[in-house]
Amino acid sequence: QSALTQPASVSGSPGQSITISCTGTSSDVGAYNYVSWYQQHPGKVPKLMIYDVNNRPSGVSDRFSGSKSGNTASLIISGLQAEDEADYYCSSYTTSSTHVFGTGTKVTVL
Amino acid sequence: EVQLVQSGAEVKKPGESLRISCEGSGYSFTTYWIAWVRQMPGKGLEWMGIIFPGGDSHTRYSPSFQGQVTISADKSISTAYLQWSSLKASDTAMYFCARHDGFRAHYWGQGTLVTVSS
Repeated sequence: QSALTQPASVSGSPGQSITISCTGTSSDVGAYNYVSWYQQHPGKVPKLMIYDVNNRPSGVSDRFSGSKSGNTASLIISGLQAEDEADYYCSSYTTSSTHVFGTGTKVTVL
Repeated sequence: EVQLVQSGAEVKKPGESLRISCEGSGYSFTTYWIAWVRQMPGKGLEWMGIIFPGGDSHTRYSPSFQGQVTISADKSISTAYLQWSSLKASDTAMYFCARHDGFRAHYWGQGTLVTVSS
């Protein structure tokens, strides 16, 4: 199973909205609504930001939202802030009963 | 409070064996899956495999890691393990354990850095 495909980098100015895509196949992203998104600051532990496509864990800002269409999921960050600068990874459950991460996206706040 | 506490950093030589651990506390250890995730230096997250510590410790592996590592658990001490029988330099990485709530990794350990060098 191959890693899900994400853009290597996305950037935006403070206050803007950005979207990170996550493209898989009909065996992972397209098969279930079990896509999660993780934020990782340099040298830190990953943090769950979105689960089951569009649900936020308690404590995560409502500036983060998710969606999915077919084999592609998306993470939307609105009102971009300096603290949002980090690496972001999507993950999906697969038809093999395993999970797979995306290639990762570095978000830069200009 | 849910906590996953991993064992400390390791420095090993190629060919040596190793087992690292992940101790869960603050919840019922046998009712949640525990996953292992690799992050090589400067690289992304890779899902390695997962174990359900309850019952017969059912385990699943990513095809990329099947046969390369062994995931196990000792429910009597609420601890999951990741082990290698013969390390390679390419096993040098940070390894995270994470508790799966449903289909997401909600709680993460602090990571264990494994360095394999001659």
